[in-house]
Order: sequence, then structure tokens, then C-alpha cells
Amino acid sequence: DQQVKQNSPSLSVQEGRISILNCDYTNSMFDYFLWYKKYPAEGPTFLISISSIKDKNEDGRFTVFLNKSAKHLSLHIVPSQPGDSAVYFCAARKRGGNKLVFGAGTILRVKS
Amino acid sequence: KAGVTQTPRYLIKTRGQQVTLSCSPISGHRSVSWYQQTPGQGLQFLFEYFSETQRNKGNFPGRFSGRQFSNSRSEMNVSTLELGDSALYLCASSLALAGSTGELFFGEGSRLTVL
Repeated sequence: DQQVKQNSPSLSVQEGRISILNCDYTNSMFDYFLWYKKYPAEGPTFLISISSIKDKNEDGRFTVFLNKSAKHLSLHIVPSQPGDSAVYFCAARKRGGNKLVFGAGTILRVKS
Repeated sequence: KAGVTQTPRYLIKTRGQQVTLSCSPISGHRSVSWYQQTPGQGLQFLFEYFSETQRNKGNFPGRFSGRQFSNSRSEMNVSTLELGDSALYLCASSLALAGSTGELFFGEGSRLTVL
């Protein structure tokens, strides 16, 4: 069963505009939600996380929003830059350990 | 400081063989997790070790095993390799079990090809 879903396989955005990546989850036993960025043949790089008790977390150009009632989170990147082009994974951490459940990923292309 | 180091980066095996992959976590990190990435299944959790004890295990057959040493370094082993085991195997480390931000630091992975 897919507990974490990223329904958009890809997203294309113009440089300088906002990129919004979405993620849905089905399990309430997650205590943290994270976003990772990945380039081919490299390991994922952590971007930002949010505790399940928060609604929003910001770090520079990256903001994550969590809607617990809808079991939905989103990552906003403002402004988008060509270097942001990569695969973005949403992940959720199960309580009590470091096990992450990943979504399928969304390919972001930022056009200059 | 040095990141998570995985060896070897690339390897080719044939069906029926076994393979051992190694992971050195960031200095001071005591938790090590392993993930498998394939085009069809995405990133899937294999197992997690903390203080030399397996704390969590994913839904993989018993052919997949691992261990952690007293210096926190970890190895995973896959026996009787199958074609479907071809994947990028990623190791991730963390300071503690269930840390305060959830962040895991990933290595660059070991790319296994089974022929």
C-alpha cells in the first residue's frame, strides 16, 4: 500500500516563478515529513522537514506547508532557479525510529 | 566533515552470487539505515541499525541482511542474487534514533547490476 503519494510525475516552471510540489499521505503514524532533492546517480539531499504538530516551516527559498486534516503537504520554492531542476521526493518518518516512507518523486524542470 | 561513504560505488554480479556493501556513517552518527531504489518500486526501506542492533526491518526477503559494528560502520549482504536485485542501494546515517528533525544524511549509493 502506498502510504505516501506524489501524484505529479513532473512539473515545469519558468525561472523566477514559484514551484509547488505536492504530497499526500494516508498514515497518521508519521511524526515528521521531509523533502529531499535528488540528482541521478547521487544520494538524496535533505531540503527541509516539518514536524507533524506544525503547519509551516521555512528555510530560505523553501517553505513546507502541512495540512493535517487533508493529510497533505506541499513544498514551495520561491523564486525557482535552473539549479533547482532535479527529482524531489516527499518522505514521512514513522514514529519511534528513522524509517522513512518515500513518495515516487516529482521531476522538477526550471526553464531559464 | 566527511559525509556518508559507501563502497563499492558500482559492481556487477551474476545471478546466484552474493554481494556485500559497506557504509561508513558521518563521524558521531550512530544510526544507519539502508534503502533500495529501483525504477519500478522507488525508494524502499530495507533496515535500520542503532548501537549494533537492528531496530526496524522493511518488507524484503531473508536474502537481504545487514549488521552494524561497534564503530557504527554497517554492511548489508544480499545472497543468491536475482535479476530484480539490480538497484541503487543507499545508506543513510543520523545522530540518533528518532532525531528531532527527522533528517537523514544519504551516501551516494552503490549501484548493483545483476546479470
